[in-house]
Amino acid sequence: AQSVTQLDSQVPVFEEAPVELRCNYSSSVSVYLFWYVQYPNQGLQLLLKYLSGSTLVKGINGFEAEFNKSQTSFHLRKPSVHISDTAEYFCAVSRTGGFKTIFGAGTRLFVKA
Amino acid sequence: DAGVIQSPRHEVTEMGQEVTLRCKPISGHDYLFWYRQTMMRGLELLIYFNNNVPIDDSGMPEDRFSAKMPNASFSTLKIQPSEPRDSAVYFCASSWGGGNANYGYTFGSGTRLTVV
Repeated sequence: AQSVTQLDSQVPVFEEAPVELRCNYSSSVSVYLFWYVQYPNQGLQLLLKYLSGSTLVKGINGFEAEFNKSQTSFHLRKPSVHISDTAEYFCAVSRTGGFKTIFGAGTRLFVKA
Repeated sequence: DAGVIQSPRHEVTEMGQEVTLRCKPISGHDYLFWYRQTMMRGLELLIYFNNNVPIDDSGMPEDRFSAKMPNASFSTLKIQPSEPRDSAVYFCASSWGGGNANYGYTFGSGTRLTVV
């Protein structure tokens, strides 16, 4: 079975500062990895995904993530955040070839002016 | 495409009543998922379908919950009888399984269920 740990429940950051949201996963088989964003009173939206190939994955809204197999991590980064990035971010995992996706507990990103 | 459409957006019902949540997936998507989101338990997968067939219902909490997908464009999640602990936001999501790869889900806006 797969599991996901998001290491920070809340991350406050000032506007235009860089941010990193941390995610570690556990699995005995190869995995797909995802980051989703959820704005208030909305459903989740896919930010980016790692299926195979390059370990650096670029997504929407200027976000990127790096898959590190040896450290079983998939941290999300953005070099300069905006007020509009304030939302909850979920890391998620499924086994390669699988469609059942397990979500982490979420990290609330709060961008301050 | 209008995306994944869920109805109703909000539902308030009394304990013991039957509740039916509805979902229309994106046309062409062959996987459909039902998740429940609460503050205490986060996002929990309840059940998912492939080509209208239930594949894994191990997340359905108890016999009071049932889900159907009579055709490729419609699914329901029913709770009978409802209890206050069922209060949550219920999300439907769909995905395309081409190439046997999980390309990620498209989520609906959710149904906020309150059982009083």
